[in-house]
Amino acid sequence: EAQVTQNPRYLITVTGKKLTVTCSQNMNHEYMSWYRQDPGLGLRQIYYSMNVEVTDKGDVPEGYKVSRKEKRNFPLILESPSPNQTSLYFCASSAWGVRPNTGELFFGEGSRLTVL
Amino acid sequence: GQNIDQPTEMTATEGAIVQINCTYQTSGFNGLFWYQQHAGEAPTFLSYNVLDGLEEKGRFSSFLSRSKGYSYLLLKELQMKDSASYLCAAQDSNYQLIWGAGTKLIIKP
Repeated sequence: EAQVTQNPRYLITVTGKKLTVTCSQNMNHEYMSWYRQDPGLGLRQIYYSMNVEVTDKGDVPEGYKVSRKEKRNFPLILESPSPNQTSLYFCASSAWGVRPNTGELFFGEGSRLTVL
Repeated sequence: GQNIDQPTEMTATEGAIVQINCTYQTSGFNGLFWYQQHAGEAPTFLSYNVLDGLEEKGRFSSFLSRSKGYSYLLLKELQMKDSASYLCAAQDSNYQLIWGAGTKLIIKP
């Protein structure tokens, strides 16, 4: 089954304690992206990756890191989480290496993070 | 700057028709997406338009006018399960998606 898998789905942590949210896709997609979603603000892109070893900042990259060492995995790292990073996080992938692009985004189920 | 506008909330009656509008301003344009998102769940793809006109897919249709920077999503024969948020997203010249804040659709019996 084609899917994007994120872990953990729910996490409560404390300020400053490093954490990693994993994301894996089994569709051989070139493009992967991380979003955060907050009430009234919609989806905001954190980082994206067009292919292995290629990552770029989105709209709200501060406080986050990513890596793309393998095509299927795109972990999101919070080196020193703060309460303003409490949010719902989505990983997504797409076959956007192909032009012209009609590729839809496939989303993971989301990771709800609370930083105390 | 780049911007997407859509209404925050709409209410409609079961069995009726509702139109959700979206206006966009982007640096270049490579298509307009609509996604559905039920509360607490991931967005799921509904439609993609890149040419002017109407695309019909069952009870859902999506319209695009590139000259006006305007799209709408039309939902017919509304069902209670259509209660969700509907997200409009425009793709810019770099193929990046610019997202609207979403329209929460409430269906009443």
